[in-house]
Amino acid sequence: GQQLNQSPQSMFIQEGEDVSMNCTSSSIFNTWLWYKQDPGEGPVLLIALYKAGELTSNGRLTAQFGITRKDSFLNISASIPSDVGIYFCAGLTQGGSEKLVFGKGTKLTVNP
Amino acid sequence: DVKVTQSSRYLVKRTGEKVFLECVQDMDHENMFWYRQDPGLGLRLIYFSYDVKMKEKGDIPEGYSVSREKKERFSLILESASTNQTSMYLCASSKTPGRVRLGGYTFGSGTRLTVV
Repeated sequence: GQQLNQSPQSMFIQEGEDVSMNCTSSSIFNTWLWYKQDPGEGPVLLIALYKAGELTSNGRLTAQFGITRKDSFLNISASIPSDVGIYFCAGLTQGGSEKLVFGKGTKLTVNP
Repeated sequence: DVKVTQSSRYLVKRTGEKVFLECVQDMDHENMFWYRQDPGLGLRLIYFSYDVKMKEKGDIPEGYSVSREKKERFSLILESASTNQTSMYLCASSKTPGRVRLGGYTFGSGTRLTVV
């Protein structure tokens, strides 16, 4: 089946640093979503991308939908301790199933 | 505030027990999903449903079944719990095809199941 390769698997950073993570696939997606999961909670949608090349921001978060439609990245600027959690990318293919395909997640640790 | 509610945050069950995990959403969503989440493996789809009384297998349905008698409720059943089913279980819901772009999935807070 379809797979998303998300990297890195984990990151340990200092407060104030910028963070970048990405997802790639051999398949084309027509929607990319980025979720964040706080410890002990379910994932919550951060950013949704619907068009190739689209760049969207949500506060300190910026995400882009790759031109090839096979990749996406998420940047977090000036990280703070509450950015800790697991970040998931998810993709939706065109024409049919409403099942999202999820990456395996990037676990972010921010040291104060 | 719209919600997906999972009935239990933590459960401890014995091997061989029949286990029911309940999920209720108040958003009138057509689609509902059950995932399990394990470290290093991400979210794996167990079963999903696009309509009442309709169900489809996901990627790892073995050892599980589901029930959707009402639109707002989607139950995951472990017929005979085993220790390898110890995991975090997440329920999610979304609107009909073509509408998922409006917000993706809404997830519940999860049920952490331990089978001893």
